Amino acid sequence: QVQLVQSGAEVKKPGASVKVSCKASGYTFTGYYMHWVRQAPGQGLEWMGWINPNSGGTNYAQKFQGWVTMTRDTSISTAYMELSRLRSDDTAVYYCARGLAPPYYYYMDVWGKGTTVTVSS
Amino acid sequence: QSALTQPASVSGSPGQSITISCTGTSSDVGGYNYVSWYQQHPGKAPKLMIYDVSNRPSGVSNRFSGSKSGNTASLTISGLQAEDEADYYCSSYTSSPLFGGGTKLTVL
Repeated sequence: QVQLVQSGAEVKKPGASVKVSCKASGYTFTGYYMHWVRQAPGQGLEWMGWINPNSGGTNYAQKFQGWVTMTRDTSISTAYMELSRLRSDDTAVYYCARGLAPPYYYYMDVWGKGTTVTVSS
Repeated sequence: QSALTQPASVSGSPGQSITISCTGTSSDVGGYNYVSWYQQHPGKAPKLMIYDVSNRPSGVSNRFSGSKSGNTASLTISGLQAEDEADYYCSSYTSSPLFGGGTKLTVL
């Protein structure tokens, strides 16, 4: 079945970078956009951006431009989200989520279980 | 862009109907029919419940329905069940998805 398997929890120091992976299975990886959404403890959802796995093209939320990088490796059906210059308020659960089939790619129908990133000195 | 405005909490008894509102502006909710709703149980990933204002993905109960009037979208859950207790987030898409602050639904 369609599923997204994310990498394990991370603990990072302020100023470091983190790279989270999201391995897709059960569908054609290059046929659907991949979104990244984060959720700080006790807070709501925050959209970070998406990547088109087919072209590698990206669209980042304005807030994250310049410090998030989304990439993919089509040979292993895996998307990546790297966040640099981490601060304590980047502590959150980071989700990858597949977009619906075009043209509804901005809706997210399959989600990973989330990766907890803790930023602490 | 500011987050869409949702009530912090709503509640209802089993069997009742409840409605959760989501207020934006003419630049997002009011300007386009790209409104969606997500359900999130504690410790779980969100689940898409409604897209394009009122469409349900395959597998979502028809007890869930969506609508929109002006700058406000609404999610209605009829025949409330204990399993519906969760957080609900609206989202609107313009150049990028924008989420509401979330509403905690309590089934009394």
